[in-house]
Amino acid sequence: DADVTQTPRNRITKTGKRIMLECSQTKGHDRMYWYRQDPGLGLRLIYYSFDVKDINKGEISDGYSVSRQAQAKFSLSLESAIPNQTALYFCATSDLWGTEAFFGQGTRLTVV
Amino acid sequence: AQTVTQSQPEMSVQEAETVTLSCTYDTSESDYYLFWYKQPPSRQMILVIRQEAYKQQNATENRFSVNFQKAAKSFSLKISDSQLGDAAMYFCAYSSYSGGGADGLTFGKGTHLIIQP
Repeated sequence: DADVTQTPRNRITKTGKRIMLECSQTKGHDRMYWYRQDPGLGLRLIYYSFDVKDINKGEISDGYSVSRQAQAKFSLSLESAIPNQTALYFCATSDLWGTEAFFGQGTRLTVV
Repeated sequence: AQTVTQSQPEMSVQEAETVTLSCTYDTSESDYYLFWYKQPPSRQMILVIRQEAYKQQNATENRFSVNFQKAAKSFSLKISDSQLGDAAMYFCAYSSYSGGGADGLTFGKGTHLIIQP
């Protein structure tokens, strides 16, 4: 089993719908991250969390919210999806020293 | 805020040849990590190599090596004896050393590497 698991792998949703992307990890790391990847833009940080009580906005948090249900689970929600949010979304974890980030397999989200 | 720039959107190399991918960054910090990640068509993000800024010696991992020039804020990746499996998007990334990189990675826009058989 993968260390960082994202569900779903692919999703098509309609404009205005609420959607949740889920991430779970078995690395035992406290730090978890959500990134968004767009062609030609690289990966950009949406939200990050140090523990269940500590959640921080990243570079592009508008239109997104997150929930850290447990050390191992970190969910990303789009309250009202818009086509501009069509992208590849990655969850990642890292250790306390930040020496390496471990990524999930990515969720390809299409908003029509 | 830190920025990472990859000036080559696409590179092409013949199989078995050597190719160098460029990356520059901007930071006011003295301690940090730099990374190269590979993203094949499977879209998995794979760590290729890591460099600690406090280390003068350039990191190497088999056919992959870096040329880290701290003063110039340059961090290039050299791939020797290119193989078809090296074809992928390559991302350069920065992480602050202070706080253990708690606020995540800053990525460049990526370089698409094509391997010609």
